[in-house]
Amino acid sequence: EAGVAQSPRYKIIEKRQSVAFWCNPISGHATLYWYQQILGQGPKLLIQFQNNGVVDDSQLPKDRFSAERLKGVDSTLKIQPAKLEDSAVYLCASSFGVNEQFFGPGTRLTVL
Amino acid sequence: RKEVEQDPGPFNVPEGATVAFNCTYSNSASQSFFWYRQDCRKEPKLLMSVYSSGNEDGRFTAQLNRASQYISLLIRDSKLSDSATYLCVVIIQGAQKLVFGQGTRLTINP
Repeated sequence: EAGVAQSPRYKIIEKRQSVAFWCNPISGHATLYWYQQILGQGPKLLIQFQNNGVVDDSQLPKDRFSAERLKGVDSTLKIQPAKLEDSAVYLCASSFGVNEQFFGPGTRLTVL
Repeated sequence: RKEVEQDPGPFNVPEGATVAFNCTYSNSASQSFFWYRQDCRKEPKLLMSVYSSGNEDGRFTAQLNRASQYISLLIRDSKLSDSATYLCVVIIQGAQKLVFGQGTRLTINP
């Protein structure tokens, strides 16, 4: 069974630039999550989708971060403009229910 | 106060030893609990769920103490391959979202 796919795996940008990440969840998983994991910390939920609707985006910095899941499958997360403190690994996860989540390999973002 | 707190470690123990770590949660409405494992530069993966009655999977035992609001993970006869970060995860009733602790880093030494 194919897992959660993410691209790119690595991205280096300068501050104030824009960046976008893509995620393809496991087929049939209605729930999709984006997490930010800063070095030495646990993953922090940014946004949760149920199909193409947003369930929770309370921790998403909406002045610079946006995410969409238009057809209820793939999702994109965008940062515009990036700040130094956005350097982190961005993890996408999906689940069939609310319990076990399956994570993608993540995108490691470095903002210079 | 953080919703889920863990001792970040690192814990350095010799191969074959028994090691245990705890995780405390602040929200009494927490309903489901898990331990995830994260290898260096990899994604988190579910290690085991934590049930009210406690559960065991081979060398791993997880327990829940609702009165004191903590969960624990015990690893017996530790192996080199157990070296990883162990993330405590809690689902808040009604919120239906997972809250991760910062993780406990474990290194098993030969």
